[in-house]
Amino acid sequence: GDSVTQMEGPVTLSEEAFLTINCTYTATGYPSLFWYVQYPGEGLQLLLKATKADDKGSNKGFEATYRKETTSFHLEKGSVQVSDSAVYFCALSDTNTGNQFYFGTGTSLTVIP
Amino acid sequence: DAGITQSPRHKVTETGTPVTLRCHQTENHRYMYWYRQDPGHGLRLIHYSYGVKDTDKGEVSDGYSVSRSKTEDFLLTLESATSSQTSVYFCAISEGLAPDTQYFGPGTRLTVL
Repeated sequence: GDSVTQMEGPVTLSEEAFLTINCTYTATGYPSLFWYVQYPGEGLQLLLKATKADDKGSNKGFEATYRKETTSFHLEKGSVQVSDSAVYFCALSDTNTGNQFYFGTGTSLTVIP
Repeated sequence: DAGITQSPRHKVTETGTPVTLRCHQTENHRYMYWYRQDPGHGLRLIHYSYGVKDTDKGEVSDGYSVSRSKTEDFLLTLESATSSQTSVYFCAISEGLAPDTQYFGPGTRLTVL
């Protein structure tokens, strides 16, 4: 079945450091891939998405490229800020599985000044 | 904001009591979803709806029922709450079928004693 695996946290970085959060997936069809961000006490917000292989999603300095050959969708940011501290979720939605989204377990990021 | 509200935002209840959570949207989207979020599991789909009176089960539907009598409201009911249902519950909406982006409400924190 479909699934998403993302790197374990928590991750702690200094401000202006480079961020990578790894995400790999298993899917039976042609999935779209998403990164969501959750700030403390809030719901999930869409950060970026990619709908087909080799697409790059980007938003607020974050980027992720849909790599079909490695079944990956790693999240990157060149220079993190304290305000990026949050939990990040990788997710997929597959044409073969109707309406269901599959989420990773989340990676907590803390950025220290 | 995606125009989604959830009520109540926090609830503490006793084992064996019925509980109903409400999700309300102002976007007139066809698809609505209920998820639960637990540490180490990410988000898991409980039930979803693809129209008024049209609902289906998700991955973790046991012990939950839903109803949708109006486009804007999607109710989640725990008929007899158990401690294992202590969780944070999120409602989501989407305009179309997956892989359309899902937009999330602020969540309801439920504690079953």
